[in-house]
Amino acid sequence: NAGVTQTPKFRILKIGQSMTLQCTQDMNHNYMYWYRQDPGMGLKLIYYSVGAGITDKGEVPNGYNVSRSTTEDFPLRLELAAPSQTSVYFCASSPFGQGSSGELFFGEGSRLTVL
Amino acid sequence: AQSVTQPDIHITVSEGASLELRCNYSYGATPYLFWYVQSPGQGLQLLLKYFSGDTLVQGIKGFEAEFKRSQSSFNLRKPSVHWSDAAEYFCVLTSGGSYIPTFGRGTSLIVHP
Repeated sequence: NAGVTQTPKFRILKIGQSMTLQCTQDMNHNYMYWYRQDPGMGLKLIYYSVGAGITDKGEVPNGYNVSRSTTEDFPLRLELAAPSQTSVYFCASSPFGQGSSGELFFGEGSRLTVL
Repeated sequence: AQSVTQPDIHITVSEGASLELRCNYSYGATPYLFWYVQSPGQGLQLLLKYFSGDTLVQGIKGFEAEFKRSQSSFNLRKPSVHWSDAAEYFCVLTSGGSYIPTFGRGTSLIVHP
């Protein structure tokens, strides 16, 4: 059971480039989340999804886009990368609403540097 | 609105000493509460959770936490800290009314030999 898988683990981008962070979960969870973590700043929610075809903005959505075409996949797209998007990104899923209290299962993170 | 406060940004303890990390929450009904640990360069791992029943919950790695409704607290404890416990600890709240978890800002635990 792989859980939540994020790729890539590391990436360096130039300003203005675009890229997609991939996230896949194999636990059939309805809820999925993207967070960014900056040093000493805790986790900030970028986007979330409550099921296939349904997404919504979190606290810091500017500069990002998401899609959820399947239950398993929740990619995060960065358009026109900026230095302010240098961060560690975490994808998480949760069986919330499926008889669960909402425990989060996290991927190992993707460290992105924009130069 | 729900909120989680971790009042301590950093905690320093000596190896073998006891540990208590504080977490206070604000929510009108009974919350679901979690403690996660993040070791350096790693993702977050669940330590323990409370959603009903016994207010003293046991977790992995020898950690426990006590839910105190009267104090709106869910403090994390460990009787004897090991050097490998050095990490960032997050208190998290969810509820039946919101599927967006509320994170505390985290407490960084430093362990001196």
